[in-house]
Amino acid sequence: DQQVKQNSPSLSVQEGRISILNCDYTNSMFDYFLWYKKYPAEGPTFLISISSIKDKNEDGRFTVFLNKSAKHLSLHIVPSQPGDSAVYFCAASGAGYALNFGKGTSLLVTP
Amino acid sequence: DGGITQSPKYLFRKEGQNVTLSCEQNLNHDAMYWYRQDPGQGLRLIYYSQIVNDFQKGDIAEGYSVSREKKESFPLTVTSAQKNPTAFYLCASSSGVGLFGTEAFFGQGTRLTVV
Repeated sequence: DQQVKQNSPSLSVQEGRISILNCDYTNSMFDYFLWYKKYPAEGPTFLISISSIKDKNEDGRFTVFLNKSAKHLSLHIVPSQPGDSAVYFCAASGAGYALNFGKGTSLLVTP
Repeated sequence: DGGITQSPKYLFRKEGQNVTLSCEQNLNHDAMYWYRQDPGQGLRLIYYSQIVNDFQKGDIAEGYSVSREKKESFPLTVTSAQKNPTAFYLCASSSGVGLFGTEAFFGQGTRLTVV
């Protein structure tokens, strides 16, 4: 049963606008959340993370928001750039839990 | 350079044969993982190891086997019992499992095709 869900398989955004990628999780034992970026035929690269004691973490153009009560997190990219076009995976872990990944959201940023 | 090396990048196997995928890391990480990626399925956990000589099954371990004799190495064997072995396989490592700040670092993947 999928414990991390990314319900939008794809998202298209214009360059310069905000991209918002969403993720939901079901396991209340998860307390550490990560976003990865992936290009075809390559391994994912780590983007940003957040622990459950925070509700926001920012790194340059990337911000992750966590709503523990809703078991929901989101990744905001502002401003979006064509080089951001990739598949983004949400992942979650907790004590003793290996990283659980969602199915990914394919982001396309158009000029 | 520190990192994770998977080899080979492309692998072809005849149906009914076992094949072993290599994964080596020089990051001094305790934990290592194997994931499988299929179109539309995301990354699914096959096996993981938190320490040398110990490993646990993930969500889709059937038809696979692993060993962890050295900290640096975590080879994955795809056996003939695996019904649909054609996939993109990713190895990863982290300093621990489920600990704060322990993001996993991935190799470049191995594309296995059964012919």
